[in-house]
Amino acid sequence: EVQLVQSGAEVKKPGESLKISCKGSGYSFISYWIGWVRQMPGKGLEWMGIIYVGDSDTRYSPSFEGQVTLSADRSISTAYLQWSSLKASDTAMYYCVRQGGVWGQGTTVTVSS
Amino acid sequence: NFMLTQPHSVSESPGKTVTIPCTGSSGSIASNFVQWYQQRPGSAPTTVIYEDNQRPSGVPDRFSGSIDSSSNSASLTISGLKTEDEADYYCQSYDGSNWVFGGGTKLTVL
Repeated sequence: EVQLVQSGAEVKKPGESLKISCKGSGYSFISYWIGWVRQMPGKGLEWMGIIYVGDSDTRYSPSFEGQVTLSADRSISTAYLQWSSLKASDTAMYYCVRQGGVWGQGTTVTVSS
Repeated sequence: NFMLTQPHSVSESPGKTVTIPCTGSSGSIASNFVQWYQQRPGSAPTTVIYEDNQRPSGVPDRFSGSIDSSSNSASLTISGLKTEDEADYYCQSYDGSNWVFGGGTKLTVL
């Protein structure tokens, strides 16, 4: 079964760093793009960026360029989304999604002092 | 910037058919594939249509997707509506290498 499993919920303070993960299984992880999507409370889906795991080619939405970093570790079939300095406005649900429409279960990030 | 526009909400009765449109702001929506995602309350999105009109395994054939170049729109049609179809539906396409989501449509089945 093809699936993406994301890391658990996070509660952080403003200014802290964070790296969340998305582990793929059931398919050739290096052969697909992995995208990241933000959903703020009560709002729609926003595309953040994508990474091609095979060569780490990365594209960012202009809205998120410079705010987050996408990466991947092919050896453990895992993609990452990271922040160097969180803000309260980063409070949201974050989903990874594989090219072809396989979604992770989501990771809730809460940033509060 | 390329945008996709959906109605905020639609409603229909069980057993009926509903169509949710997704209109492209510029260019030709037929130039890039369109996907449709269903998101039930409190759950992650799932894909109901990919590459304009393809259904993932497990998605019933009550769900279908189409492209209308004359109106520069994609559509998701759900026939034989069931209460379990009540959810938010998002269309998604591409602007170059960027993904673009529609704002989402809340489907109420009453």
